[in-house]
Amino acid sequence: AQSVTQLGSHVSVSEGALVLLRCNYSSSVPPYLFWYVQYPNQGLQLLLKYTSAATLVKGINGFEAEFKKSETSFHLTKPSAHMRDAAEYFCAVTGGSNYKLTFGKGTLLTVNP
Amino acid sequence: DAGVIQSPRHEVTEMGQEVTLRCKPISGHNSLFWYRQTMMRGLELLIYFNNNVPIDDSGMPEDRFSAKMPNASFSTLKIQPSEPRDSAVYFCASSFGQRYGYTFGSGTRLTVV
Repeated sequence: AQSVTQLGSHVSVSEGALVLLRCNYSSSVPPYLFWYVQYPNQGLQLLLKYTSAATLVKGINGFEAEFKKSETSFHLTKPSAHMRDAAEYFCAVTGGSNYKLTFGKGTLLTVNP
Repeated sequence: DAGVIQSPRHEVTEMGQEVTLRCKPISGHNSLFWYRQTMMRGLELLIYFNNNVPIDDSGMPEDRFSAKMPNASFSTLKIQPSEPRDSAVYFCASSFGQRYGYTFGSGTRLTVV
């Protein structure tokens, strides 16, 4: 079975500050890892994905994430937060013969002016 | 491409009524998923179709829930009879391979009163 743990259900940063959203995964097979963003009353939008190529993955809106196998982590970062980044962020895992995309419980990012 | 299209966006119904949610996946995607999102349980996979065939419906909560995919461009999720605890946002997602991630629709917000 695969699982995802997102540390911190709510993260608050100031505009211009570093954004760090934490994700740890559990998987018995090489994982595919994803970060999705959900704005209020909208669906989930893919930010970036790790699929066993480069361990540092760049996504949309200036976000990036680094796959660290030794730490079973896939943390999401952005050097400078914008007000428009305020949303909920979900980390997800799949892999092997498991078609199911398993999500973490999400982290709500608040950006203060 | 217009993305994954779900209808209706909002549905309010009375307990005991039948509810049908609709989904049009992205053309060429061979996998379709129905998810449910609630505050308490987060994102839960209800059912997965591959090439229009239901592969795993173990997430369907009860016999009141049923899903069909009569062709590659259309799927329905039906709840009969509906109950207040079915109130949630229901998402449809499609994919052409797990390493590419899933594309989500905008969701249907269901309220059962």
